[in-house]
Order: sequence, then structure tokens, then C-alpha cells
Amino acid sequence: NAGVTQTPKFRILKIGQSMTLQCTQDMNHNYMYWYRQDPGMGLKLIYYSVGAGITDKGEVPNGYNVSRSTTEDFPLRLELAAPSQTSVYFCASTDNRQGRAGELFFGEGSRLTVL
Amino acid sequence: DQQVKQNSPSLSVQEGRISILNCDYTNSMFDYFLWYKKYPAEGPTFLISISSIKDKNEDGRFTVFLNKSAKHLSLHIVPSQPGDSAVYFCAASALPFNKFYFGSGTKLNVKP
Repeated sequence: NAGVTQTPKFRILKIGQSMTLQCTQDMNHNYMYWYRQDPGMGLKLIYYSVGAGITDKGEVPNGYNVSRSTTEDFPLRLELAAPSQTSVYFCASTDNRQGRAGELFFGEGSRLTVL
Repeated sequence: DQQVKQNSPSLSVQEGRISILNCDYTNSMFDYFLWYKKYPAEGPTFLISISSIKDKNEDGRFTVFLNKSAKHLSLHIVPSQPGDSAVYFCAASALPFNKFYFGSGTKLNVKP
């Protein structure tokens, strides 16, 4: 089991560029999440999905888009990169159907720098 | 307007002693709480959880206490080991447990 896989691990973007952070999980989890971690600020929820075809905004969705066409994949799209989006991004998944709410499995993170 | 707060950015403890990490929350609708542990350059990993119907949950060296009236929870690690040195995040959720809100983390350093 690979768990939750994020790519790329590191990326430098110029202001105004766009990119997609990829996230794949092989645990057949129905819930998936994108968080960002800024220094000293903890984890902030960007978007989440409770199943294929269903997505919803979290605490800090502005500047991002997501899609969930399959159970396994939950890509995060940055359309016009801004310096404020410099952060470490974490994808996570869980299977609430088992009554194990909150036991999120996280990827290793993607460090994004916007210059 | 952070709903989950960890007011101590760091904590240093001697090996073998107790580590107590604290967390406060403001949303009275939260009824499920979790602790995560994070090493550098890795994603957080789930440690222990507690639902609001309990005031204590133990798992080996880790115990979480919940005080709903004070909107406060704490994580006790006994005895602390150098391998416990990491950043600890508390998190909270309300029904239907779709979203999980995290605190800012406490960096624990366990000295040998």
C-alpha cells in the first residue's frame, strides 16, 4: 500500500503561473482533503470532497480549484499563483464509512514557492 | 478566528518525565477531537482521538483528557521518550465529521 501520494514534492512558480498538485490514494477512501501549512499557523483546510463528483470549500479556498472525478484522485489547481500561496500543501484521506472519522492519512506534502 | 488553539508553540521535557500538551477550542459544536504527530518533511500521522461522550482515552503512553465545560483538551505522554520529539497538532470536528480544524501545533523536544 502506497497510502496517499502527492506530486510534486517541491516546485517553484513565478507569479501568475498556474499548476496542479496531484494527490492519489489507494485505500478506497471516500473523503479527501487539501490543507496548507504556513509557518506557525497550523493546517488550514482549502477544499474537501466526500466522494467522487462532490467537492466543497474549506477555510481558505480562494485562489484554488479542485475536482474529484474518481475515488482515487483529488488534484488541486492553482490558476494564477501569488506569493501568498507559498506554503506546504498536504493532501489527506479517510474512510468515514468505517466509523473512523478523523483518522486522516496524510501525504508527505508538497512545498510550493511563488516568486 | 481560529477555532482550535494551541497557545504553547514549544515544550521541552526531560526523557522519562511527563509531557502535557494543551489545546483549547471555541466552537461548542465540536464533539470529536484528535491529536496528530508530525516529524519534519513528513505528513502528520494520527495519534489518538476522543469523542465528547468521554473525558479520557488512553492508548499506551498516550492519554487524552477532555474538559467540555472548559472547551479544553490535553495530551499526556508518559514516560516521554526522545523519539516523541515532534510537532503535535490537535484537531476538532463536528457532525457529520466532514471537516477537521487544526491548531497551530506545539513542538515537543524530549531531551535525553
